[in-house]
Amino acid sequence: AQKITQTQPGMFVQEKEAVTLDCTYDTSDPSYGLFWYKQPSSGEMIFLIYQGSYDQQNATEGRYSLNFQKARKSANLVISASQLGDSAMYFCAMREVSGTYKYIFGTGTRLKVLA
Amino acid sequence: NAGVTQTPKFQVLKTGQSMTLQCAQDMNHEYMSWYRQDPGMGLRLIHYSVGAGITDQGEVPNGYNVSRSTTEDFPLRLLSAAPSQTSVYFCASRAPVSNEQFFGPGTRLTVL
Repeated sequence: AQKITQTQPGMFVQEKEAVTLDCTYDTSDPSYGLFWYKQPSSGEMIFLIYQGSYDQQNATEGRYSLNFQKARKSANLVISASQLGDSAMYFCAMREVSGTYKYIFGTGTRLKVLA
Repeated sequence: NAGVTQTPKFQVLKTGQSMTLQCAQDMNHEYMSWYRQDPGMGLRLIHYSVGAGITDQGEVPNGYNVSRSTTEDFPLRLLSAAPSQTSVYFCASRAPVSNEQFFGPGTRLTVL
């Protein structure tokens, strides 16, 4: 069965430093997608970045990059040059491409950026 | 485009009452889904639909019904509300060849 694990309930990072948020996954499907979402205190869900299981390169979107290690089944989010506005809850999610179209979310990591 | 809209934003129900959470999207997306978010649990999929007339169960479907008569609308019905259904509910939609799900603003439901 699909599973997403985020082992860091909370993280602190100093402003302008980089931070890595961990995500490991489990699936038997060879074709899947991995996602990261940001949820600020206002509550909305904001899509950040996507990585396909067959993508050769790690995904990047501005200050966000996804460190995809397929053999380890990990998909860590790296935020470079942290800003105060990055303080939020971050969720890792997975969708198997074949079959059910279901998304599975992790329990989230709360990131606090310190001035 | 309004994106994904949800009504109401807040709702308080008594145990045993029924209600419908509304979700609509104007992006002509085939895939729509409902999630609930509870503290420490992340988002859990309730029901989803891959097109008008097609729905399927997610991870936590018990106590909820859905139907999809149009591409635009995907209402979620609580048949007999229970305190365990107190949660924040999100609706989302996705285009067929896109990787991005668009989420609505959420509905905060309290069942007393």
